[in-house]
Amino acid sequence: EVVLTQSPATLSLSPGERATLSCRTSQSITSSLAWYQQRPGQPPRLLIYDASKRATGVPVRFSGSGSGTDFTLTISSLEPEDFAVYFCHHRITWPPVSFGGGTKVEI
Amino acid sequence: EVQLVESGGELVQPGGSLVLSCVASGFTFTNYAMHWVRQAPGKGLEWVSGLGANGRDKYYINSVRGRVTISRDESRNTLYLEMKSVRAEDTARYYCVKDQSSMVTIPAAFEYWGQGTVVTVSS
Repeated sequence: EVVLTQSPATLSLSPGERATLSCRTSQSITSSLAWYQQRPGQPPRLLIYDASKRATGVPVRFSGSGSGTDFTLTISSLEPEDFAVYFCHHRITWPPVSFGGGTKVEI
Repeated sequence: EVQLVESGGELVQPGGSLVLSCVASGFTFTNYAMHWVRQAPGKGLEWVSGLGANGRDKYYINSVRGRVTISRDESRNTLYLEMKSVRAEDTARYYCVKDQSSMVTIPAAFEYWGQGTVVTVSS
């Protein structure tokens, strides 16, 4: 089973700042990684798939990069609605599906 | 607009049973794999089960295998999760999730999520 480790657990930033979130996998998953945003009281929302492709309707300030075992989600300039929890996820080894533990981006 | 509306969550005693439902709309239900993902209070995400568009390819996390059955009714555009012999550790919000792909074995993403339905297992 591939283990996904997200860091940091919490990221404290201000609106307008750049956020850099990391997801590391215990073995190579090529580029088969997705990122989700979960705001309080809301279901997760797909942001990025295949490591770097933005999902429909996702603002361009969100970008994903990486391959192999190291992946990054970058939010270029934080908006108030971006303060949320972010999860990474892969499905290249199946089952089970693996999620990272999450990174909380807080003000 | 894709919509996934879950129902069926309730307070149930340990060892009891329940069926979760998810009515899908806004896309061709028969073309996509579907999943159930749960989230315990204050915790992360845990994939529970997935079902291919063909209705035959079914997968489960080890902790629920033998107690849970996933199924779909194409005529009703509905996904189900039948849960038996529930345990305290099954307490969570259960999300119905649409896959990007028709097959559960393809490394695609979870494209759309419902609002979830809450299952509480307690005596």
